[in-house]
Amino acid sequence: DGGITQSPKYLFRKEGQNVTLSCEQNLNHDAMYWYRQDPGQGLRLIYYSQIVNDFQKGDIAEGYSVSREKKESFPLTVTSAQKNPTAFYLCASSKRAGGVYEQYFGPGTRLTVT
Amino acid sequence: RKEVEQDPGPFNVPEGATVAFNCTYSNSASQSFFWYRQDCRKEPKLLMSVYSSGNEDGRFTAQLNRASQYISLLIRDSKLSDSATYLCVATKGAGSYQLTFGKGTKLSVIP
Repeated sequence: DGGITQSPKYLFRKEGQNVTLSCEQNLNHDAMYWYRQDPGQGLRLIYYSQIVNDFQKGDIAEGYSVSREKKESFPLTVTSAQKNPTAFYLCASSKRAGGVYEQYFGPGTRLTVT
Repeated sequence: RKEVEQDPGPFNVPEGATVAFNCTYSNSASQSFFWYRQDCRKEPKLLMSVYSSGNEDGRFTAQLNRASQYISLLIRDSKLSDSATYLCVATKGAGSYQLTFGKGTKLSVIP
């Protein structure tokens, strides 16, 4: 079945540690995205990538880093520089087609940093 | 002004009722619009795209008014399974890959 997978579902880390969240898609989509969602808030874009080996900062990129070495994979690293890393992290992908860019989401990773 | 604004609700409606959600967007250059639903502690799932001419998918009807920068979602014959948060979404501008999400409107369908 085609889809987007994120692992792990829950992640716990101590403050000061970097952590990498996995996102893989087998939909043959060109574009991939990372969002975070905080309680009662809308999704906010962290980074996005339109093609392999290229990515752009979103609205809240500080304290995060990404790579896009393969079309299928777009891992997100939450660094110790991120002041409030505890959140629900969602990865999405979209197939560049015409003018409508529907994005499809993975199941998310809940990160708790204490 | 927030880029995409929605009434947070909650909307508590009985089964079988018709309910309408509204949403406004601030960027007149936004070209594409969507409704997503998000169940509690789950990922958003695409419900439908919103086209200029309006579109219908079963019990769901979406409308777009570009002049007023307004999007609506109508749900007819509400089911218990429709209980979720509905997210209004707009692209950031012409040709943009980036989406702007509203904070969502919570719907509870009551038996």
